[in-house]
Amino acid sequence: GEDVEQSLFLSVREGDSSVINCTYTDSSSTYLYWYKQEPGAGLQLLTYIFSNMDMKQDQRLTVLLNKKDKHLSLRIADTQTGDSAIYFCAAPPRTYNFNKFYFGSGTKLNVKP
Amino acid sequence: NAGVTQTPKFRILKIGQSMTLQCAQDMNHNYMYWYRQDPGMGLKLIYYSVGAGITDKGEVPNGYNVSRSTTEYFPLRLELAAPSQTSVYFCASSSGQGGDNQPQHFGDGTRLSIL
Repeated sequence: GEDVEQSLFLSVREGDSSVINCTYTDSSSTYLYWYKQEPGAGLQLLTYIFSNMDMKQDQRLTVLLNKKDKHLSLRIADTQTGDSAIYFCAAPPRTYNFNKFYFGSGTKLNVKP
Repeated sequence: NAGVTQTPKFRILKIGQSMTLQCAQDMNHNYMYWYRQDPGMGLKLIYYSVGAGITDKGEVPNGYNVSRSTTEYFPLRLELAAPSQTSVYFCASSSGQGGDNQPQHFGDGTRLSIL
């Protein structure tokens, strides 16, 4: 089955850039996603990238995709304390098999003032 | 903008009790999902549905049941609550157009403790 791996923790200072990394095993995904989970809340779709793109920029967010290495990253510029949350990547295989919409275990971003 | 609505938000059950976690979506999505999230862990898929009347098991279905009589509602039933079912439960939905890799929209979760 699909394996999606993320590091568990990242700590940065306010104003710095944050880079959250994700690796996956199944390369058939049409879309790859980043979700944000704030304390006590559900997962909120943050951004996504189409699989034929290398990069997507959306205000302070930059998504980089390296299909050869099956590596996805999320860069947050000028990180704010409000960005403190858990970030999940998802790389669902396009196999019409719902058991395989695996999420990573999440990276907890801590932003220090 | 209701999206996906889950009730209750919190619940404490005794071992052996039963309960139903409610989930409703107003986006006319065909696909709906139930996940559990244990402390410090990612999401595990319990059950999913691709349309009214159709449900199937995910990774961790034991101890749970679901039904999908309408597009809008997808309740999750715990028949004999066990301490191992203490978790946060999330319901999600997606349009299903183009397959199973469309983005999922999540409710705010139900925090369930079994004592």
